[in-house]
Amino acid sequence: QSALTQPASVSGSPGQSITISCTGTSSDVGGYNYVSWYQQHPGKAPKLMIYDVSNRPSGVSNRFSGSKSGNTASLTISGLQAEDEADYYCSSYTSSSIFYVFGTGTKVTVL
Amino acid sequence: EVQLVQSGAEVKKPGESLKISCKGSGYSFTSYWIGWVRQMPGKGLEWMGIIYPGDSDTRYSPSFQGQVTISADKSISTAYLQWSSLKASDTAMYYCARLIRAVDYWGQGTLVTVSS
Repeated sequence: QSALTQPASVSGSPGQSITISCTGTSSDVGGYNYVSWYQQHPGKAPKLMIYDVSNRPSGVSNRFSGSKSGNTASLTISGLQAEDEADYYCSSYTSSSIFYVFGTGTKVTVL
Repeated sequence: EVQLVQSGAEVKKPGESLKISCKGSGYSFTSYWIGWVRQMPGKGLEWMGIIYPGDSDTRYSPSFQGQVTISADKSISTAYLQWSSLKASDTAMYYCARLIRAVDYWGQGTLVTVSS
């Protein structure tokens, strides 16, 4: 069972928008609308940012948005802020024994 | 308030056994899957396995099948992750997580250090 593929790093200046991709297969990302995204600051537990491809939990800024096209899901952060600097992971339901798989993770740097 | 509270950090020697715990509160423990996630130092998140405390249905990632045991005691709303013989490569942070299509609640993590 392979991890979903994310870029290792993405950077942007304050106020800019950035997009993180998450590529899987038809057995996971492409086959189900159960893609979620997590933000993790150093030394902290992950935090849910997006669920079911594009839904934001209560309390998450509307600067975070999610989408999916085919086997690739995306997380867009608009109006980038210093506090957005963190690691981001996607996850998807998958038709395998574990039922879920994480992405490889993306480090977001605010320049 | 939903909470997942994990047991404290552990320092063990190779070959020793270990069982760490995750106690859920503030919700119906038997109605949600609980997953265990490993994060090795400086590395990404990995699903290890999931359990449904309502009926103890358990699934393991192929990478962890046979290496760990996941269990739950619904009478005390607690899930467990255990090893029978630790290796140095088991050194990592371990998180428990409440799962319903996505993880909406995470435990605070349990740091396991295995060193001779």
